[in-house]
Amino acid sequence: KAGVTQTPRYLIKTRGQQVTLSCSPISGHRSVSWYQQTPGQGLQFLFEYFSETQRNKGNFPGRFSGRQFSNSRSEMNVSTLELGDSALYLCASGEGVRERAGELFFGEGSRLTVL
Amino acid sequence: ELKVEQNPLFLSMQEGKNYTIYCNYSTTSDRLYWYRQDPGKSLESLFVLLSNGAVKQEGRLMASLDTKARLSTLHITAAVHDLSATYFCAVDNYQLIWGAGTKLIIKP
Repeated sequence: KAGVTQTPRYLIKTRGQQVTLSCSPISGHRSVSWYQQTPGQGLQFLFEYFSETQRNKGNFPGRFSGRQFSNSRSEMNVSTLELGDSALYLCASGEGVRERAGELFFGEGSRLTVL
Repeated sequence: ELKVEQNPLFLSMQEGKNYTIYCNYSTTSDRLYWYRQDPGKSLESLFVLLSNGAVKQEGRLMASLDTKARLSTLHITAAVHDLSATYFCAVDNYQLIWGAGTKLIIKP
């Protein structure tokens, strides 16, 4: 069974640009969560999608957005990049049982560097 | 606000020693997860604890959950260098609430 696939794995952007990251969850999983990880702030929750609907949202500015497609694949977008957006972005896949987050399975991450 | 506190945040220990990482949380929940992260890598699920009194063991690691005390422990027995990593606990409260992580360094 294939795991969680994230693309691209590495990317470099400049301030002001935008970026789109992609995540394919484990087959059969309907929940996709996104996290930002930095040395200073640690692991921070961005948002969760379940059956194409945003179910939970973390405390990030509107420059961070996401969506989920009918095949459960998800994308997140960051517009008007800032230096502080440099981070490892992790996607996690889960069954999304009602009222429970459930065990999450993480992809390898997309490492974004903003210059 | 639900808070999850791990301690210690940093632990350096010798091979062969035993130690325990603690995960305290501030609200009722009967589900807790432990993850491991190697430097520059993603998170790997270690243990899923689904009820009060749950105990899981894998090799030199053992995790337990006491929902009444709102406490989970990750015990390391006779540590080996390969267990060096950062360990996270996460409490299931509709969404996962994460601890800050415990960076574990095991010296030969």
